[in-house]
Amino acid sequence: SQQGEEDPQALSIQEGENATMNCSYKTSINNLQWYRQNSGRGLVHLILIRSNEREKHSGRLRVTLDTSKKSSSLLITASRAADTASYFCAPYHTGRRALTFGSGTRLQVQP
Amino acid sequence: DTEVTQTPKHLVMGMTNKKSLKCEQHMGHRAMYWYKQKAKKPPELMFVYSYEKLSINESVPSRFSPECPNSSLLNLHLHALQPEDSALYLCASSQLGGSNSPLHFGNGTRLTVT
Repeated sequence: SQQGEEDPQALSIQEGENATMNCSYKTSINNLQWYRQNSGRGLVHLILIRSNEREKHSGRLRVTLDTSKKSSSLLITASRAADTASYFCAPYHTGRRALTFGSGTRLQVQP
Repeated sequence: DTEVTQTPKHLVMGMTNKKSLKCEQHMGHRAMYWYKQKAKKPPELMFVYSYEKLSINESVPSRFSPECPNSSLLNLHLHALQPEDSALYLCASSQLGGSNSPLHFGNGTRLTVT
C-alpha cells in the first residue's frame, strides 16, 4: 500500500504531557503532511514537511522526517484537552497526483 | 467553520433514490476532491478535478457520478446506492493540483443508505 501506517492506533495521555505519533510509508515522497480530524468533522491541515527537510515546527507541533527510514513523527508538546482528535499522516508519493492518508492515531487527552 | 461548504450535512436515502451532494469553495482553488470515510478509517480518495476536468477516478462504481460545473462547485450525484455506501463524504480543495498545496476540507455529508 502507498498509504502511511501510523502507530499507535490509539493514545491516551494526561493534559500537559507530550504526545508522539509515528508514520511509516513505503515509496519515495515529495512531501509528507499531517492532518487533524475532530469527531464528525473535516480534516484540518497541520503541517507539511518536504522531502529535503528533516524537522519542522509550528507552535506546539514538531514534525520530523527520516527519508532513509521512510518514517515521520508528530510531537505535540504540553497537550490540552482540545487536542483530542484523530491525527493522520499523508505521504505525497512521487508520481502520484493526489494525497492519500495513513491509518490514523486517535489521541485522547484527559483533563 | 471551514472555507469549503458542503450540503447537506446529513442525508438519508433509499437504495432506489437519486440524490446529490454539493460542495462549494471561494478560495480560487483549481483542484477539488471527493473522499469517502467510513467510521474509524482514514479518508479514501474517490475523484480529483483539476481545472474543472476529471483527472483521477479511483475505480469508483458508476453509481457515484461526479460533476464540476465551474471552478467553485463540485457535485457528487448518487443513484442506486447500497447500504455499504453509508459513510462520511468529504469534499476538499487545493490551490494547485500538485503536491505542495495542502488540502482544505469541508465538514462532510453524513450519508445513510437504507
